[in-house]
Amino acid sequence: NAGVMQNPRHLVRRRGQEARLRCSPMKGHSHVYWYRQLPEEGLKFMVYLQKENIIDESGMPKERFSAEFPKEGPSILRIQQVVRGDSAAYFCASSRTTGGGGTEAFFGQGTRLTVV
Amino acid sequence: GENVEQHPSTLSVQEGDSAVIKCTYSDSASNYFPWYKQELGKRPQLIIDIRSNVGEKKDQRIAVTLNKTAKHFSLHITETQPEDSAVYFCAARNYGGATNKLIFGTGTLLAVQP
Repeated sequence: NAGVMQNPRHLVRRRGQEARLRCSPMKGHSHVYWYRQLPEEGLKFMVYLQKENIIDESGMPKERFSAEFPKEGPSILRIQQVVRGDSAAYFCASSRTTGGGGTEAFFGQGTRLTVV
Repeated sequence: GENVEQHPSTLSVQEGDSAVIKCTYSDSASNYFPWYKQELGKRPQLIIDIRSNVGEKKDQRIAVTLNKTAKHFSLHITETQPEDSAVYFCAARNYGGATNKLIFGTGTLLAVQP
């Protein structure tokens, strides 16, 4: 059972370009969470998704950021018109459905976004 | 909104000593409290967790205690080793609640001196 897979591991974008970060949850997991981590800082919640639904996006900036978790395929975090302040590590975590145990959330390796 | 405070932000101990990291949470509906270890440049990894129906849990050299009344939980590492050096994050979650999201503390950088 592969763990949470994120790609790319490293992404360099010029200011104004778009960044697309992908996250494939662990097998059997239908909850996905995205976190942002600035250098030497903590993990800031961005968005929580289940298949085809955004459950909580209270940590997501109102502009330029969007997330989806389609019925088929990975979850995507999309950042439009990137700025230098978007440079950070973006981690995805997944957990199982509610009801019947499995509250643990497991993290992917992260995508390190650098905006130049 | 929900908030988790973590102290200390940095902790330096001698090899073999114990280390204690403390967290408090604001949402009284929180019922799941994991701890993650993050080594430099790597992903956070779950090391131990506790649910609100338990007051203490132990796994070899690490243990976690929970005081629901005080909304306080702690990580205890005994007989520390250099490989325990990392950043440790506590988190709280209202599992089964409306949002179900994990809220993290700000992290503790633990340095174990050989």
